[in-house]
Amino acid sequence: EAGVAQSPRYKIIEKRQSVAFWCNPISGHATLYWYQQILGQGPKLLIQFQNNGVVDDSQLPKDRFSAERLKGVDSTLKIQPAKLEDSAVYLCASSPPQAGGNEKLFFGSGTQLSVL
Amino acid sequence: DQQVKQNSPSLSVQEGRISILNCDYTNSMFDYFLWYKKYPAEGPTFLISISSIKDKNEDGRFTVFLNKSAKHLSLHIVPSQPGDSAVYFCAASPGGFKTIFGAGTRLFVKA
Repeated sequence: EAGVAQSPRYKIIEKRQSVAFWCNPISGHATLYWYQQILGQGPKLLIQFQNNGVVDDSQLPKDRFSAERLKGVDSTLKIQPAKLEDSAVYLCASSPPQAGGNEKLFFGSGTQLSVL
Repeated sequence: DQQVKQNSPSLSVQEGRISILNCDYTNSMFDYFLWYKKYPAEGPTFLISISSIKDKNEDGRFTVFLNKSAKHLSLHIVPSQPGDSAVYFCAASPGGFKTIFGAGTRLFVKA
């Protein structure tokens, strides 16, 4: 079974530039998540999709971050314009339908973003 | 507002001994708890979970204990192996949604 695919693996940009990350979840997983992991901290949920609808985006900085999941499969996360504090690993995860809603997440390897 | 806290940034254990990783939470609505393991340059991988209706769950060398009254859970690894060296994240969710992670504990298992 193929895992969660993410690209690019690394990205270095200057502040005020824009950047986009791509994620393809495990086939059949309806729920897709984007997490931000700053060095020394745990992953923080940015946005959660159920199929192509947004379930939770309460911690997404909407003035600069946007995400979409067209057709309920793959997803893109965009930052425009980037700030120095956006330097982090951006993790995509997906989860299968679970009885009772208990979610076990399958993560991709992440995109390491450095904003200079 | 840290709802899931892992107060030990790192832990060093001798091979063959027990590793105990601790986690505290503040939100009484959390009813599902998980541990994830992360190697460098990889995403976290699921290790073991426990529902709030239980106080213990075991899977091979890994056991998770839940103390609801103390809002505390722990992961025991027995015996510890060098391949267990990784960062371990405690995570919790209310009603099975919106998983919240702790900051992680880096485990070193010395051969």
